Parts: sequence; structure tokens; C-alpha cells
Amino acid sequence: QKEVEQDPGPLSVPEGAIVSLNCTYSNSAFQYFMWYRQYSRKGPELLMYTYSSGNKEDGRFTAQVDKSSKYISLFIRDSQPSDSATYLCAMSEAGNTPLVFGKGTRLSVIA
Amino acid sequence: GAGVSQSPRYKVAKRGQDVALRCDPISGHVSLFWYQQALGQGPEFLTYFQNEAQLDKSGLPSDRFFAERPEGSVSTLKIQRTQQEDSAVYLCASSLDYAHSGRPERQYFGPGTRLTVT
Repeated sequence: QKEVEQDPGPLSVPEGAIVSLNCTYSNSAFQYFMWYRQYSRKGPELLMYTYSSGNKEDGRFTAQVDKSSKYISLFIRDSQPSDSATYLCAMSEAGNTPLVFGKGTRLSVIA
Repeated sequence: GAGVSQSPRYKVAKRGQDVALRCDPISGHVSLFWYQQALGQGPEFLTYFQNEAQLDKSGLPSDRFFAERPEGSVSTLKIQRTQQEDSAVYLCASSLDYAHSGRPERQYFGPGTRLTVT
């Protein structure tokens, strides 16, 4: 079993839908949780960064961390075709250390 | 440039050839990370540097893989005697802060080098 599990999809939703993406993990030492977006043939770009449990909101994006369940989520409101990409969860035990990524979920938002 | 750059963007090597992949981090960034991303998978950690010191190379798949950052800026990932299983995208990331700083620190990724071994 991998340290971080993420359903690879693909996930297809209509424009304007609310998208829910999630990851589970097994390493209780993880304290830093991130969501990256990766467009085809590009490097990952950071969307959200949270420390420990709780919620964080940035525009249309909300990240949630539940350390007791070892479960993290990313919600995208009012999804747009430009949100079509692969979304990767990532986590680390300490600040600025190697990241452990999920497999990525491929999302398509259909106009 | 403002971001992390990598070269070449694409590399085709015949099995058994040696390859060298270059990463130019954002100027002034202390930490530099290498990841390998196989098709349909998330990136997997290979090695990382703090300035010129290689702090962890536990992710390197075999002794055919070697990385260096001699002057604490540009880094090179070298793969000797390439094998088909080495085909992947090699991603470089840099961050401003020191490793294990205890502070949340963003890693900025380059576009990657897509290596195909035939």
C-alpha cells in the first residue's frame, strides 16, 4: 500500500459544478498538505498549502485536512473548462522537505 | 527568467547511453529537489540539495543515477547506461528556504525533461 492514495479518475463534470477531490494517507507524521495542479506537459503548480488540520479557502478553492481520519480534500466551486488538469495531492513531514505525492486525479470540465 | 528551467525538454536515448539533465533553479533559492514522474503517476522523490550539499539521495533508483550541484545553483542529474524503465519525466523544483526549516515553504517546479529510452 502506498503512503498516499488518490483515485486517478478520470473525473468529468459540467461547467459550474462543484468538484470534490480527495486523498487518504497512512503516515501519521505528515503535517504539511498541498494540492498541485498539473496541465499536460507542464510542471506541477501549487494551488493550496495547509498545515495540520483545518480548512483553508482561496477564491473558488477550499482545502480541508482531517488528520484524525488521515483524509484531505480539495473543493472547486463554479468549475471552469480552464480547471481541466490533473490534480495532485502532496504531503510532507516537515517544512521544506521532500514531498510524497498521490497518483493524481485527471479532471475534465465540460463547457 | 523568473521560473525554474530545465533542459533539454525532451531527450531520446538508446538503451545503454548516458544522459545528463540540467536544472536551473530560481536565483537565490537554497533548496533543490529532483523528482521522477512515470506516465500516469504522481512525482516520486529522487534526491535533494541544500546549496551544494546533497542531503538525501534515498530515492535514487539505482547506482546508475547520480546528481550534483557543485556551486549551489545549477544542478545536473546524470543517468548512466539508461534502461527502458528509466523512461519518465524528470522534474526539478526549488525553494527559497533551507531544508527542515519548520516553516511552510513553496516548491516551484520546472516544466520537466521527458526522457524516452528506446
